Amino acid sequence: QSALTQPPSASGSPGQSVTISCTGTSSDVGGYNYVSWYQQHPGKAPKLMIYEVIQRPSGVPDRFSGSKSGNTASLTVSGLQAEDEATYYCGSFGGSANLVFGGGTKLTV
Amino acid sequence: EVQLVESGGGLVQPGGSLRLSCAASGFTFSTYAMSWVRQAPGKGLEWVSAISASGGSTYYADAVKGRFTSSRDNSKNTLYLVMHSLRAEDTAIYYCARVLGEYCSGGSCYVPAYWGQGTLVTVSS
Repeated sequence: QSALTQPPSASGSPGQSVTISCTGTSSDVGGYNYVSWYQQHPGKAPKLMIYEVIQRPSGVPDRFSGSKSGNTASLTVSGLQAEDEATYYCGSFGGSANLVFGGGTKLTV
Repeated sequence: EVQLVESGGGLVQPGGSLRLSCAASGFTFSTYAMSWVRQAPGKGLEWVSAISASGGSTYYADAVKGRFTSSRDNSKNTLYLVMHSLRAEDTAIYYCARVLGEYCSGGSCYVPAYWGQGTLVTVSS
């Protein structure tokens, strides 16, 4: 059982937008603005796409955006492209010196 | 360019031990906290451990506490994970990761930003 809850799958057509949710508790997602999102292609290492809920690292397209409301964080991918097809994981600082991840959402384009 | 290269994985029997290494380059290693994150075959990500920039503070997931020890040698730009009493459920790809910013504090020390390619640990008889 993963600490954060994500839908197992999501899909969209090229050019469309899709939003992936990540639900935790007031002890992690709801309690801190340290929610991150990672993209992982098969056989590859995860790549940081969003940090501190809404921030994008240098080099990440602005098609990727993050948000949070209460205990649920969301990743929105706009203008879907074929290369966006991957598994996306959310992560959150959980207090008490730990990091918790979601179970992952496989995005199909 | 930030580079992290893990090594030391392999096949080990249940109850055995293993030491993983992570060689870092392309940044000032001694100013960044580091983490280990693992991924069981076909499964999701699981945080294992974090260590402060100086190495003076270490933190562990409950699943590995008391069995795994994280350390670093800043003179060699290398991170280590020593694993004892290994179990079948420890089978995973182990990634080392660097946090985003220097001299992190609090929750910012728990944002793995740059990841190595991982090393596979298989615990089986």
